[in-house]
Amino acid sequence: QKEVEQNSGPLSVPEGAIASLNCTYSDRGSQSFFWYRQYSGKSPELIMSIYSNGDKEDGRFTAQLNKASQYVSLLIRDSQPSDSATYLCAVNLGGGSEKLVFGKGTKLTVNP
Amino acid sequence: GAGVSQSPSNKVTEKGKDVELRCDPISGHTALYWYRQSLGQGLEFLIYFQGNSAPDKSGLPSDRFSAERTGGSVSTLTIQRTQQEDSAVYLCASSLSRGPDTQYFGPGTRLTVL
Repeated sequence: QKEVEQNSGPLSVPEGAIASLNCTYSDRGSQSFFWYRQYSGKSPELIMSIYSNGDKEDGRFTAQLNKASQYVSLLIRDSQPSDSATYLCAVNLGGGSEKLVFGKGTKLTVNP
Repeated sequence: GAGVSQSPSNKVTEKGKDVELRCDPISGHTALYWYRQSLGQGLEFLIYFQGNSAPDKSGLPSDRFSAERTGGSVSTLTIQRTQQEDSAVYLCASSLSRGPDTQYFGPGTRLTVL
């Protein structure tokens, strides 16, 4: 069973703080890693993808991947109330598989 | 341009009835995915289409579930003899080509089985 685990939260941070979201995955052969944001009642929206070990930065978002530890994280700097959403970690196993395995998501609340 | 559209947005049905859910992908997108999101659960992969072919049906939970895609565009997910545990939001996503990098999700169909 391929699993992706996330803390369900809720994670609450004050406006302007750094929010740190974590994800672990069970399949060591996983190739591609994604973070989606899902506002309540809305569909998921891709915000970051990462494929190799290290950090990838895009604006206020930084994704971090450590394949040896089977760990991927998302940092949100200068958190804003509009960042309040559920963040879904998704993993593609590679090897020709096209499907994504999703975690259950971490609910983030940014307090003004 | 238009994004992924799904219809109906909401569907309430009685246990034992059949339902059809429709997905219109972004024009030109060759890959199409169906997912299911139950309350408190993550997104669960159901099936993947490349063109009109479905190389991966591994996520379909039972033989009551089937899907087809015609003309490399519209896809229909059919659930026969619905059960209460089928209640969920059914999400469709499409991408320009192979690979999950650029999957764009539709708004979903909320299915309630009474």
